[in-house]
Amino acid sequence: GAGVSQSPSNKVTEKGKDVELRCDPISGHTALYWYRQSLGQGLEFLIYFQGNSAPDKSGLPSDRFSAERTGGSVSTLTIQRTQQEDSAVYLCASSPASGAYNEQFFGPGTRLTVL
Amino acid sequence: QQPVQSPQAVILREGEDAVINCSSSKALYSVHWYRQKHGEAPVFLMILLKGGEQKGHEKISASFNEKKQQSSLYLTASQLSYSGTYFCGTGDFGGSQGNLIFGKGTKLSVKP
Repeated sequence: GAGVSQSPSNKVTEKGKDVELRCDPISGHTALYWYRQSLGQGLEFLIYFQGNSAPDKSGLPSDRFSAERTGGSVSTLTIQRTQQEDSAVYLCASSPASGAYNEQFFGPGTRLTVL
Repeated sequence: QQPVQSPQAVILREGEDAVINCSSSKALYSVHWYRQKHGEAPVFLMILLKGGEQKGHEKISASFNEKKQQSSLYLTASQLSYSGTYFCGTGDFGGSQGNLIFGKGTKLSVKP
């Protein structure tokens, strides 16, 4: 079946502009995660959604970052007033459920470049 | 708190073995291992849970020392396809909530 998809694959924007990154999880997966990966760095947790529960936003680096998940499926990560330090690959992952025993399936990522 | 992975990088010849370690300062319930090839998405390798339960690929071997809050990934008779960056993700939740905190990764290069 189809895996996790993300769009766009690449995004170049100017400092101060807003950007929206989209994630389509695997059908039926109730858990969805967003990560940020800077060059040579690990996977930095941003936010996760589990079903209809309130999202865990504890990893969002500033109030310029927000995310929503509509209908328990597609998710959008929004970065307002982008800064150069926001440049990174943004990865989305989905899982059949959250919790320790469920592996995460990652999308190909969106490479964001802020000029 | 972010787990610490060691070594940061390792170079092997085909057929050689390697061990990648992941340690945490917090009590852990689970450890996940993923491999990411250059320019690609991370791919699941294995999950190890407190109590000894494991789930993953048959050809992958790993251990989880709950008392030491450490996990090790064993790569034996390495192949060129093993090259990539290996990440461990640690979870301190046993129930239905919780996210993983990933280490900075270990870059493995296997040469002919």
